[in-house]
Amino acid sequence: QVQLVESGGGVVQPGGSLRLSCAASGFTFSNYGMHWVRQAPGKGLEWVAFIRSDGSNKYYADSVKGRFTISKDNSKNTLYLQMNSLRVEDTAVYYCALRGSQETSSWGQGTLVTVSS
Amino acid sequence: QPVLTQSSSASASLGSSVKVTCTLSSGHSSYIIAWHQQQPGKAPRYLMKLESSGSYNKGSGVPDRFSGSSSGADRYLTISNLQSEDEADYYCETWDSNTQVFGGGTNLTVL
Repeated sequence: QVQLVESGGGVVQPGGSLRLSCAASGFTFSNYGMHWVRQAPGKGLEWVAFIRSDGSNKYYADSVKGRFTISKDNSKNTLYLQMNSLRVEDTAVYYCALRGSQETSSWGQGTLVTVSS
Repeated sequence: QPVLTQSSSASASLGSSVKVTCTLSSGHSSYIIAWHQQQPGKAPRYLMKLESSGSYNKGSGVPDRFSGSSSGADRYLTISNLQSEDEADYYCETWDSNTQVFGGGTNLTVL
C-alpha cells in the first residue's frame, strides 16, 4: 500500500533554511503529482505546494512563493521541499501528500518544523 | 478560487448519526470535493471523493458508516452509528488551477 515518510524537520532560526524529504513507496511515484501541506499548531490544513508527476510544473501558495521550492527525484522515489528565509509563521507540521486524480488521496505522518530564535 | 466553509464544531451521541457540512463559495457549486479525517495527534486520512451529483468514492478501508451526499453548493459527510474513534477533525478539500483549498475543519465530539 501507499507509504509516505517525511524527514528533515527540526528547529531553525528565523531567516534560516531547511530541506524536507518524503520517501514514497507502494505506488509508481513517477506517475503522480505530489503536494506539501502544512498545519500550524492548533490550526487547520494549509496547502503549500504542488509538483506535477514529471516535475515539469510547480505551483505554490502565495505565503511561500519565492521562498520555498518543491522538487521530486523520480529515480529515488523522493519528494523534497527546500525552505529558505524561514519565518516564525512557517512553524508547522509539514505533510507530503499524494495527488490522486485531483484529490489528496494519501498522507504521510508529517514532520515538525519549528522556526524560533 | 473557491472557498470552503465549515462549521467549527459538531457533536452527537455514541451510536447516533451526524451530518457534517461543507459549503462551496458562490460560482463554485459544481465542484467536486474530498473529505479527510484527522484524529487527535495523527495525520489526516482520506475518506472519500464527493461529486455535486452526490456520487462518492471512498478510500480503502473506510467503514460503511461513512457516506456522502450533496445539495446545491453544500457537501455532506454523514457518519452513522457513531463510535468513539470517530471523534476527530473533519476537513473538506477542493482544487482549482493546480492549487488545493481546504475548509477550516469541523471538530466532532462524540458524547
